[in-house]
Amino acid sequence: KAGVTQTPRYLIKTRGQQVTLSCSPISGHRSVSWYQQTPGQGLQFLFEYFSETQRNKGNFPGRFSGRQFSNSRSEMNVSTLELGDSALYLCASSLGTGNEQFFGPGTRLTVL
Amino acid sequence: DQQVKQNSPSLSVQEGRISILNCDYTNSMFDYFLWYKKYPAEGPTFLISISSIKDKNEDGRFTVFLNKSAKHLSLHIVPSQPGDSAVYFCAAASYNTDKLIFGTGTRLQVFP
Repeated sequence: KAGVTQTPRYLIKTRGQQVTLSCSPISGHRSVSWYQQTPGQGLQFLFEYFSETQRNKGNFPGRFSGRQFSNSRSEMNVSTLELGDSALYLCASSLGTGNEQFFGPGTRLTVL
Repeated sequence: DQQVKQNSPSLSVQEGRISILNCDYTNSMFDYFLWYKKYPAEGPTFLISISSIKDKNEDGRFTVFLNKSAKHLSLHIVPSQPGDSAVYFCAAASYNTDKLIFGTGTRLQVFP
């Protein structure tokens, strides 16, 4: 069974631009969550989706948004990029709450 | 407010010996706990989990112990192997959400 896939793997943007990251969960998984990893803040929860509904949101500004499609694939968008948005963005999927989450390889975003 | 803490940023262990990684939490409402292993520029890999109603869970060389009264869990790796060298994260969650609260990680180095 294929794992969680994320595209693109690497991205370089400049301040003020916007970016969209994509995540395809493991087949059969309906829950998708997003995390941001930075050296200073560690792994921080961004949002969680289940059956196209945002179920939970982390403490990030409104520039960070996401959505989930009917096939469980998910996208996250960051608008008006700032230097501090440079990070590894990780997507995880699971069968549902109470089950272990499996992570994708991440998208490395660099904002110049 | 760091709800999940890993107070040891690094640990060095000789091959064949036991590695013990520790994690403390502050929220007594967490329902289950997980350990992940992570290499640079990759997504975390799930290792083992434990429900808050148990005090021990074992899977091969990995055993997780939970002490609810002390709000403390530990991961034991026996015997340690050089391939275990990575950053280990503990995480906590509640059953009504997939939101994982991560610790800051412990870098384990296993030397020959």
